[in-house]
Amino acid sequence: GAGVSQSPSNKVTEKGKDVELRCDPISGHTALYWYRQRLGQGLEFLIYFQGNSAPDKSGLPSDRFSAERTGESVSTLTIQRTQQEDSAVYLCASSRDRVSGNTIYFGEGSWLTVV
Amino acid sequence: TQLLEQSPQFLSIQEGENLTVYCNSSSVFSSLQWYRQEPGEGPVLLVTVVTGGEVKKLKRLTFQFGDARKDSSLHITAAQPGDTGLYLCAGVYQAGTALIFGKGTTLSVSS
Repeated sequence: GAGVSQSPSNKVTEKGKDVELRCDPISGHTALYWYRQRLGQGLEFLIYFQGNSAPDKSGLPSDRFSAERTGESVSTLTIQRTQQEDSAVYLCASSRDRVSGNTIYFGEGSWLTVV
Repeated sequence: TQLLEQSPQFLSIQEGENLTVYCNSSSVFSSLQWYRQEPGEGPVLLVTVVTGGEVKKLKRLTFQFGDARKDSSLHITAAQPGDTGLYLCAGVYQAGTALIFGKGTTLSVSS
């Protein structure tokens, strides 16, 4: 597709289970971001991939969170042993290169509910 | 810690009124962007500003970047119900680093 694609769009999981969220960025975009957004709140930065550089993982809230990216394509955000406070929308975004001067495009998000 | 502070957090106004939303930081931005987000959707970019003192207009929306590149404002003239949404500012402190968002301003415009 032409835009950033995320799956699943909705996920309900039991506390303690692991979840994987997938992001397909726009083709040719070297930069990819993951953000978390709680209901009615702003976006909380999680992790940033830029080309072949080491990812910026400074926003990951705990060691239960990890993300990988295959080359300049698909990325997977994994949350292990989910907790109720992990319930949020997880947004993925991509841009052609560095953000300065480049438009960043968001997917519609993966809504995660931990029960 | 680099923080982007947005104010006000919530704004409820009548159609036709003017409003201003502010975004402030103690650090200098390499660039700053404003986004609008509607429920159930991802944020959509409105504007990018990169030069201190820069002013950009998008129809009834006016964006200003502070001279010192530490702050920005979004002014909406004659607000309409279609302007309702979450307005987010986001900045890059150094080229090549991650885009950091403020907590947003929730705007409600009633007719």
